[in-house]
Amino acid sequence: KNEVEQSPQNLTAQEGEFITINCSYSVGISALHWLQQHPGGGIVSLFMLSSGKKKHGRLIATINIQEKHSSLHITASHPRDSAVYICAMNYGGSQGNLIFGKGTKLSVKP
Amino acid sequence: EPEVTQTPSHQVTQMGQEVILRCVPISNHLYFYWYRQILGQKVEFLVSFYNNEISEKSEIFDDQFSVERPDGSNFTLKIRSTKLEDSAMYFCASSYGTRQETQYFGPGTRLLVL
Repeated sequence: KNEVEQSPQNLTAQEGEFITINCSYSVGISALHWLQQHPGGGIVSLFMLSSGKKKHGRLIATINIQEKHSSLHITASHPRDSAVYICAMNYGGSQGNLIFGKGTKLSVKP
Repeated sequence: EPEVTQTPSHQVTQMGQEVILRCVPISNHLYFYWYRQILGQKVEFLVSFYNNEISEKSEIFDDQFSVERPDGSNFTLKIRSTKLEDSAMYFCASSYGTRQETQYFGPGTRLLVL
């Protein structure tokens, strides 16, 4: 079964802390996506990775294909980073549809 | 910046009624998707659409569901006879390519079936 597991489910941090959210998956993938879901429900794509590492501002995403594992890091966290962060995969046999993890709810306190 | 739009933002309907959810994907995108998220649960894939036909669908996408691209801009999801368990947020997404392309999501339609 194609599964995406995220940890932790919930994360509370103080402003300025370095945050790591982890994602593991069970099958070969063509790409791994990190998305952000705002309290109102909207979903925004942050990264799409098939290997290595990507950086955008204070966000860094890494992937280890051999270990079937990806991490999302947030440096110098800020209350506006509070959201649900979701890992999703395109598995090798799909035509592009995403299989989602349950998400990590991040709350950054001032 | 181009964005995916969806209408309506909220819809309340009676069980057994038909609903049509509308989406306008980004104009040069070729692949279109519907996902749903039941309250408190993870996002689930429903269907993908390319070249005017369904390219993939999930077990959720049964005979009660259909998709259509009636013109060059709109992409619709129809639920023929709604059930209570169809209550969810429905997201449309589009991408230029498939497997290694960023998908752009619309803001969602919150459907409540009474």
